Amino acid sequence: DADVTQTPRNRITKTGKRIMLECSQTKGHDRMYWYRQDPGLGLRLIYYSFDVKDINKGEISDGYSVSRQAQAKFSLSLESAIPNQTALYFCATSDSWAYTQYFGPGTRLTVL
Amino acid sequence: GQQLNQSPQSMFIQEGEDVSMNCTSSSIFNTWLWYKQDPGEGPVLLIALYKAGELTSNGRLTAQFGTTRKDSFLNISASIPSDVGIYFCAGYHNTNAGKSTFGDGTTLTVKP
Repeated sequence: DADVTQTPRNRITKTGKRIMLECSQTKGHDRMYWYRQDPGLGLRLIYYSFDVKDINKGEISDGYSVSRQAQAKFSLSLESAIPNQTALYFCATSDSWAYTQYFGPGTRLTVL
Repeated sequence: GQQLNQSPQSMFIQEGEDVSMNCTSSSIFNTWLWYKQDPGEGPVLLIALYKAGELTSNGRLTAQFGTTRKDSFLNISASIPSDVGIYFCAGYHNTNAGKSTFGDGTTLTVKP
């Protein structure tokens, strides 16, 4: 079974809808991250969390919110989706003493 | 904030050819990481470098941590079709609050 899972894998929605993307991990890592990938723009950090009570904004947090429900779960929400939020979204985890990140398979989100 | 310049942006090569790509930064990093993203999947770590001047191999892949600590290189020898994907560099510095900075990626296409 995959160590980092994301649901859904694909989602098509309409402008103005609220969307939640979920991430779960079985690696026992404290740190979790949400990234957005657009063609040619690499991976941009949206939010990150170093433990259940620690949530931090990344470089592109506007229009997004997150919830760390447990050590193993980190959700990303788009309160009112807009077309320029169409992208591939990745969740990642890392141990608190290591720099390596482990990525989920991604969620492809399309906002019409 | 810290930024990485990764080049080339894309490469089209014949099977069997060698590949070189690099990342440069205006800032010093303590750790350099190279990830590969296969089509439809999340990035996976290939090589981690922890010391200036370090040269590390992983099969046909070789990566180096530049002596100035501001750059890193990845070479792939004798490319094969399964080398296709996006290669990301990432830099980590302990002053960046536990976050890695990612390059924009190099998209590699290998023609059989």
